[in-house]
Amino acid sequence: DGGITQSPKYLFRKEGQNVTLSCEQNLNHDAMYWYRQDPGQGLRLIYYSQIVNDFQKGDIAEGYSVSREKKESFPLTVTSAQKNPTAFYLCASSPHTGENSPLHFGNGTRLTVT
Amino acid sequence: SQQGEEDPQALSIQEGENATMNCSYKTSINNLQWYRQNSGRGLVHLILIRSNEREKHSGRLRVTLDTSKKSSSLLITASRAADTASYFCATDDWEGGSYIPTFGRGTSLIVHP
Repeated sequence: DGGITQSPKYLFRKEGQNVTLSCEQNLNHDAMYWYRQDPGQGLRLIYYSQIVNDFQKGDIAEGYSVSREKKESFPLTVTSAQKNPTAFYLCASSPHTGENSPLHFGNGTRLTVT
Repeated sequence: SQQGEEDPQALSIQEGENATMNCSYKTSINNLQWYRQNSGRGLVHLILIRSNEREKHSGRLRVTLDTSKKSSSLLITASRAADTASYFCATDDWEGGSYIPTFGRGTSLIVHP
């Protein structure tokens, strides 16, 4: 079955440590996205990538970094510079970033930093 | 970035009743999408309505779009306990040559058996 896999489901880190969240898709989609969701909030865009070796900052990119070395993979690193990293992180993909291109989501990684 | 706003924030109904959620947005759109999120899971795409469409159906779902009022509604008919979830609308923002979906805060729907 095609889909998006995020791992791990739960992640715990100490403050000051960088942590990398994995996102892999086998849908052959060009575009991939990272969103952050806080309790009772909508999704806020962190980074997106339209194609391999290209990515763009979203609304809340500060304290995060990404890479897109392979079409299938779009890992997100939460750095120690992110002031409030505890959140639910969602990865998504779509065939392209043109019109009428619905997103397919993974099941998220819940990150807790103490 | 533009963000759709859902209303109400929370909705509690009995099984069999209809559930209506609304979404308002600020600027012109190419399309509007509705997604569903079960607790602790990712979002699932439900339906997309283009700006030149006024109504669209998918099973028990009915979506309307009023571009003059910059609003959309999602109606779930004959609701079931399994419909309990959060529902989000998303509009496509034009960002640096791409259409990037931006989401509202969602409506939390509870359907009591």
